[in-house]
This record gives sequence, structure tokens and C-alpha cells, in this order.
Amino acid sequence: QQQVKQSPQSLIVQKGGISIINCAYENTAFDYFPWYQQFPGKGPALLIAIRPDVSEKKEGRFTISFNKSAKQFSLHIMDSQPGDSATYFCAARGSGYSSASKIIFGSGTRLSIRP
Amino acid sequence: DTAVSQTPKYLVTQMGNDKSIKCEQNLGHDTMYWYKQDSKKFLKIMFSYNNKELIINETVPNRFSPKSPDKAHLNLHINSLELGDSAVYFCASSQSSYEQYFGPGTRLTVT
Repeated sequence: QQQVKQSPQSLIVQKGGISIINCAYENTAFDYFPWYQQFPGKGPALLIAIRPDVSEKKEGRFTISFNKSAKQFSLHIMDSQPGDSATYFCAARGSGYSSASKIIFGSGTRLSIRP
Repeated sequence: DTAVSQTPKYLVTQMGNDKSIKCEQNLGHDTMYWYKQDSKKFLKIMFSYNNKELIINETVPNRFSPKSPDKAHLNLHINSLELGDSAVYFCASSQSSYEQYFGPGTRLTVT
């Protein structure tokens, strides 16, 4: 049962363009929504994260937009660069402070930035 | 300084064999995880330990057995390896299960 749905599966964007990846979730108890970036042959690394009480978070060229009522969130990469080419995962964490709270990952988006 | 390290990086073995993957973190985190990433890049949690105690045990065959000798180490032992076990296995650690730090992965190939 997939609780976090991610689209598109793959994305090609011209250098300098805007890359947009979308995610939707079902469980309203999720309390933390991170995005992870994974380069080939490497482990995923946290890119940016947001809590559900905030509608937008920006860090450099990366922005998360969060729509709590629609249970959707998205990653925008402005001025996309070839070095941004990687697989991106959205995720959601179950609520509470327990270490037993799991992070559920989306299925990933392979982003390619064309020079 | 490597935060989360795994050994080996590559593991090629035959069906029916038993193998182990080791993980160490030097971040002082109290929680460690094993994830499996299949050929389609789907990332799924397998196990989680908090201060040497098993706290998450997903639907994983009994052939997989994690072991945490201390809170900085988490090993994964796999018995009677099958073709379907071929994947990349990631170890991760975190404090309070928010930001997770992943290791470089172990690519397991079963022939």
C-alpha cells in the first residue's frame, strides 16, 4: 500500500528551466515532509524538508510548496543545472516523537537537466 | 570523516549462501535503519533499531536478521540467499527519526 504517490517518474528539463516534482499523501497524521536527492552510486541525502503548518519553504534554488487541504506537496528547482541531475524522493513521516515513526518514501523521480 | 559507513560496497554471491552486511555510524545517533532499494529505485524500510532495541520490523522474510551490538553499529545477516534478494541495501541513522543520514549502500547480486 503506497501512502506517498510521486510523479512524474522521469523528467527532462533544459538548463535554466524550472523542474517540478509532485507528491500526494493519504495519511493526515504525517508531520514531516522531506525531499531526498540521490546521485548514482550514492545514498539518498536530505535536500529540504517542511512541516505541515507551513505552506512554503525555500532554500536557495529549491522550494517546497505544501497544500495541507489537498494533501499535496511539490518540489520546485529554479534555474535547473546539469549538476541537479539525480533521482529525487519525496517522503513523509508518521506523527509523534517516537523513534518508531517511519519515513515512507515516494517512488522517486529521475531528473535529467539538458545542457 | 564518513558519517555512515557500510561494508562491503559490492557483494556477489550464489543462491543459497549466507552473507552479512555491516554498518557503522559516528554521528552519535540513537536510531539506525536498514532499507532495501530495488531495481526500480523504490526505497523501503526493513528494520529499525533504537539504542540496540528492535523497534520497526517490516514484513521481511525470516531469512533476514538484523543485529545491533551497540547503538553505533547495525548489521544485517541474510540466510539462504535468493535471486529476489538482489538489490542495494542502505543503512541509515537518525536522531528522533526526522533527518536520516544514509550510508553509501551495498549492492548485493545473487546469481
